[in-house]
Amino acid sequence: AQKITQTQPGMFVQEKEAVTLDCTYDTSDQSYGLFWYKQPSSGEMIFLIYQGSYDEQNATEGRYSLNFQKARKSANLVISASQLGDSAMYFCAMREGYSGGSNYKLTFGKGTLLTVNP
Amino acid sequence: EADIYQTPRYLVIGTGKKITLECSQTMGHDKMYWYQQDPGMELHLIHYSYGVNSTEKGDLSSESTVSRIRTEHFPLTLESARPSHTSQYLCASSEGNQGIQYFGAGTRLSVL
Repeated sequence: AQKITQTQPGMFVQEKEAVTLDCTYDTSDQSYGLFWYKQPSSGEMIFLIYQGSYDEQNATEGRYSLNFQKARKSANLVISASQLGDSAMYFCAMREGYSGGSNYKLTFGKGTLLTVNP
Repeated sequence: EADIYQTPRYLVIGTGKKITLECSQTMGHDKMYWYQQDPGMELHLIHYSYGVNSTEKGDLSSESTVSRIRTEHFPLTLESARPSHTSQYLCASSEGNQGIQYFGAGTRLSVL
């Protein structure tokens, strides 16, 4: 079974509008971390936002917020006020096990290609 | 945020050649990783290291090898390149309990 599922291969959004990129995860661990990365066409991976499984509040970083619904095992990324430069591939990832434990490996989803239209 | 550098950025090479992809970070991170990514696809972990003289194979089998003699340096070597090795290779490092990984710009390898 896929540990990270991103069901939207591609998404389109108008500039200045908000967009939600979906991510669901599968783990039996009580403690885990969830990450979102952005990959422009140039290829580098840019860290956007992190959510710990015990964090009570949804993570926010500027225009990025993570809509964390633990019971549904979803960790959707919300980008507010989209900009042309937001056009990129977006990957959701998970680290299983507790923070400070022995596992630091990430499992990535297949990604969502976001296109921002002017 | 980590400063992590990969060279070369692009490499086109013939079949059978030995290649080394360089990865260096200046932040003193203990943990480093190599991923392989085909165009438009997800990342697959091929090697990781949690410290000097410690290396492990990742989730995706790879014919490449790695070494970690110094904290800041984590090179990846292919003894005999083949067209099936054509891909992008991304290096990352992390520190701290959250395990946020910071990536280099990647090396796009093409084996003819």
